[in-house]
Amino acid sequence: ILNVEQSPQSLHVQEGDSTNFTCSFPSSNFYALHWYRWETAKSPEALFVMTLNGDEKKKGRISATLNTKEGYSYLYIKGSQPEDSATYLCAWSFLNTDKLIFGTGTRLQVFP
Amino acid sequence: NAGVTQTPKFRILKIGQSMTLQCTQDMNHNYMYWYRQDPGMGLKLIYYSVGAGITDKGEVPNGYNVSRSTTEDFPLRLELAAPSQTSVYFCASSYPGQGSYQPQHFGDGTRLSIL
Repeated sequence: ILNVEQSPQSLHVQEGDSTNFTCSFPSSNFYALHWYRWETAKSPEALFVMTLNGDEKKKGRISATLNTKEGYSYLYIKGSQPEDSATYLCAWSFLNTDKLIFGTGTRLQVFP
Repeated sequence: NAGVTQTPKFRILKIGQSMTLQCTQDMNHNYMYWYRQDPGMGLKLIYYSVGAGITDKGEVPNGYNVSRSTTEDFPLRLELAAPSQTSVYFCASSYPGQGSYQPQHFGDGTRLSIL
């Protein structure tokens, strides 16, 4: 079964807290791992596409790491702000396909 | 730049009716995708296309049809609407090249209710 699991399902943090969440995926036949940010009433926006084991990507206060051998990726947010409140989706692709398998997302709420 | 545009934004259908969800992109992307998103579930791929004239099934294609006559447009057709097709539908596009190495760009979604 090709499943992508994200944890936790939801997270509530105070403004200024740093946080992280996990995306787990099958480690065999890995091809690419995507992270998307999805604000309420908007469409998902791409944050990162990661392809190599050990990849680290950063965009402002958000960063991500990738471990393809054990099948997980972490997304970190440093000093969370209320505008970081969103659902964070990861998606995995395998072999040389054009298709992504999405997880159900981690819903982050940052309280001022 | 409009990006990916989906119409309509909302629609209510009766069981058995048919309709077409429109999707168009102005980024000259070869790859286009249709997803549905149900509460508590991830985005599920319905159909995708790697270029004009080429389409392929995703995870949940039953009850849907697609066509891709131009690079810009990728309409999704529901022939006989069923309550199980109540969902939010997202269209996405991406540049070609090495399969899923490219990020996908999403439209704003179409919320469809079948009653």
